[in-house]
Amino acid sequence: EVQLVESGGGLVQPGRSLKLSCAASGFTFSDYNMAWVRQAPKKGLEWVATISYDGSSTYYRDSVKGRFTISRDNAKSTLYLQMDSLRSEDTATYYCAVNWERWGQGVMVTVSS
Amino acid sequence: DVVLTQTPVSLLISLGGQASISCRSSQSLVHSNGNTYLHWYLQKPGQSPQLLIYQVSNRFSGIPDRFSGSGSGTDFTLKISRVEPEDLGVYYCLQRTHNPPTFGSGTKLEIK
Repeated sequence: EVQLVESGGGLVQPGRSLKLSCAASGFTFSDYNMAWVRQAPKKGLEWVATISYDGSSTYYRDSVKGRFTISRDNAKSTLYLQMDSLRSEDTATYYCAVNWERWGQGVMVTVSS
Repeated sequence: DVVLTQTPVSLLISLGGQASISCRSSQSLVHSNGNTYLHWYLQKPGQSPQLLIYQVSNRFSGIPDRFSGSGSGTDFTLKISRVEPEDLGVYYCLQRTHNPPTFGSGTKLEIK
């Protein structure tokens, strides 16, 4: 059974950093592209970043370019999202997704002073 | 960016009834490889989104045949027949033909 478990969320002040993790199991992690998608409270879904199966290619939405870094450790079957210079508008539940098919349960990130 | 316009914003359907949701794109979603990467998701209350339909009309693993997708180019439709209580939630379309991937704004399905 495919499982994706996000962690690392919490309350952080504007301008600070946070690193999210997504532990994957139940499939061959190194075979699949992975993505982060977020959802602000009571809002719709918004793609954040994608990484290719081998980590060689990464893509970001414009509003997070230069601030967020997506990465993966295929040996650990884990996806990461390093979030720097956080802003209030980054407040959201962050989901990891495999190949746009299966999603984790999400982790909440609140950026507030 | 590609804009996906979902209608209606909300639906109130009786148990056993049929629901239809439209997703219109600001540009064609046919990829240069001939595939159309338009997917449908359901987000049940308090849960993460689950994939229902991929590439316009293909039901994902375990999705009942009450769910069907159709369309081409810029106009797409999700139909839910014989609506059941567990179908309530917000339905989203997603396109990943063009970068960046974009979602529709969602359609909330409520059961009468």
